[in-house]
Amino acid sequence: GAVVSQHPSRVICKSGTSVKIECRSLDFQATTMFWYRQFPKQSLMLMATSNEGSKATYEQGVEKDKFLINHASLTLSTLTVTSAHPEDSSFYICSARVPGLDEQFFGPGTRLTVL
Amino acid sequence: RKEVEQDPGPFNVPEGATVAFNCTYSNSASQSFFWYRQDCRKEPKLLMSVYSSGNEDGRFTAQLNRASQYISLLIRDSKLSDSATYLCVVRNTGGFKTIFGAGTRLFVKA
Repeated sequence: GAVVSQHPSRVICKSGTSVKIECRSLDFQATTMFWYRQFPKQSLMLMATSNEGSKATYEQGVEKDKFLINHASLTLSTLTVTSAHPEDSSFYICSARVPGLDEQFFGPGTRLTVL
Repeated sequence: RKEVEQDPGPFNVPEGATVAFNCTYSNSASQSFFWYRQDCRKEPKLLMSVYSSGNEDGRFTAQLNRASQYISLLIRDSKLSDSATYLCVVRNTGGFKTIFGAGTRLFVKA
């Protein structure tokens, strides 16, 4: 199956700093990628849909200025958590849609801890 | 009401047991249905798609009832390795938006 990678897998940062998470499709070109957030013992919540070459579409309640998404190429989308606070600590997972298929593949996730 | 609702769990079953998970969805226009498996601190992985005709993959059987907006997953002859959280997933028409249920935790014990 298609492979999606994320980097870093784990990050610990101080409150107020910004953190960038990368999501890459390794063996296919993904015009659409998705960013999810998962708090402990809760399900994945879609944060935004990232389209290559255009602005991301954010879900209701997700702050655009806080969670910056850039999808500059067909294989890379980045999520930047700006001015991170402890409540932003979560498991962030990206997925990429395989063109022409009714399927998405998930990255391994990034565990963010904000102190 | 949540768009996708699942049995709260957790389910604690012995090896070899048969266990059934239920899921309901609220959007009648939903188009595609899936069961995913998520291990602790890992990303979800597709277990199987769910079709109206029902489908089976080894010990796993999935059913979809569009009239009742109900999805089920049956696991036969449970193995220790089946211990995980099972996520009911619905994809709505247009935009490829995917909605995840909260998941049902399964513990299979020797």
